Amino acid sequence: DIQMTQSPSSLSASVGDRVTITCRASQTISTYLNWYQHKTGKAPKLLIFGASSLQSGVPSRFSGSGSGTDFNLTISGLQPDDFATYYCQQSYSTPPATFGQGTKLEIK
Amino acid sequence: EVQLVESGGGLIQPGGSLRLSCAASEIIVTSNYMTWVRQAPGKGLEWVSLIYSGGSTFYADSVKGRFTISRDSSKNTLFLQMNSLRAEDTAVYYCARVLPLWGDYMDVWGKGTTVTVSS
Repeated sequence: DIQMTQSPSSLSASVGDRVTITCRASQTISTYLNWYQHKTGKAPKLLIFGASSLQSGVPSRFSGSGSGTDFNLTISGLQPDDFATYYCQQSYSTPPATFGQGTKLEIK
Repeated sequence: EVQLVESGGGLIQPGGSLRLSCAASEIIVTSNYMTWVRQAPGKGLEWVSLIYSGGSTFYADSVKGRFTISRDSSKNTLFLQMNSLRAEDTAVYYCARVLPLWGDYMDVWGKGTTVTVSS
């Protein structure tokens, strides 16, 4: 199975900041990489698919980049609603779908 | 409104069984790839099971032989039958639709149902 590793595991930032979360795959996955946002008690939300394609309805301050083994999720101009946990997930070789361990974004 | 609503969670003793349901609105369960994902307390998201529109099923190694994914077209509902439950199965269980595009991705999720396995 392909292993996904995110960094950092947690991150403190302020409203208005630009933040980047990194995801690394244990083998090349082309651009078959998705990003999700999850808040406790709520349904996870798809943000980005195919490494850089923005899901319909997701604000343009979210962007994704990368290919091969290294990927980034960038949030430009953090909003209060963005404080959540973010997960990457590879879709190059599924099943199983494998997720990163998550990055918790907290308010500084 | 496109929606998935899970139910059936609860407190169950180790070794017991539970069946989770995922009722779909504006998604035809039998025409889509559908999946279950769980989150144990303090842990991240973990894929559990997948069913293709054609009926093929897949399981994580941790649940293979104990869990069964299925669906009912008349109720437009996805199920997860969980047998021989263990403490490590304690989690919030989410159902999601999987679109087989750009590899594949989970574009619609439910809010989850909580399963607690404890004596």
